[in-house]
Amino acid sequence: GESVGLHLPTLSVQEGDNSIINCAYSNSASDYFIWYKQESGKGPQFIIDIRSNMDKRQGQRVTVLLNKTVKHLSLQIAATQPGDSAVYFCAETLSGGYNKLIFGAGTRLAVHP
Amino acid sequence: GAVVSQHPSRVICKSGTSVKIECRSLDFQATTMFWYRQFPKQSLMLMATSNEGSKATYEQGVEKDKFLINHASLTLSTLTVTSAHPEDSSFYICSAPLLAAGTRNEQFFGPGTRLTVL
Repeated sequence: GESVGLHLPTLSVQEGDNSIINCAYSNSASDYFIWYKQESGKGPQFIIDIRSNMDKRQGQRVTVLLNKTVKHLSLQIAATQPGDSAVYFCAETLSGGYNKLIFGAGTRLAVHP
Repeated sequence: GAVVSQHPSRVICKSGTSVKIECRSLDFQATTMFWYRQFPKQSLMLMATSNEGSKATYEQGVEKDKFLINHASLTLSTLTVTSAHPEDSSFYICSAPLLAAGTRNEQFFGPGTRLTVL
């Protein structure tokens, strides 16, 4: 289904700590998932993606975990930095071709020094 | 990486006027582009899929006569908000997918357009 108009929850962490941001997706047929970072007044920026044939993918300081059984994604950010402060969205889609993205509700990450 | 631009970045207009927002893929061709709307502290809501050379596909609940989409070339899609009202005030974002063999089908987002209707 479409993302509902909920106000963003906030995750507050101390600089240097690890952050875990969670997301539930809606369509069991979705086979491609992406995490985006959005800073205030800007468009979403790609962070990391994962296909449904995987359950874990690592990037630089970030890891995405996928649990298809419960339709759940998580984004782990290691050694969180002040520059990581932003809103994070997961998105789901069907791979192959020009398929639309359906965004999750989003989480605001606030990193405190 | 691929770049998508939007113009204008912000616009203020009077109620009842129409506003046109442009979305351009600067270094790649996009036969499909997507338009999203984002209200403050909320997620991106897909409005429509813009198709080059054919009619746009609108999501349920989006009025096609109010949000006119024209995808006249492989690098430009426009969204016109007709007879804008204060409730149309929002952040409008476009995206364009870039398909490349053997890699992810990544969508590149524009920087957004802030529309304020007085």
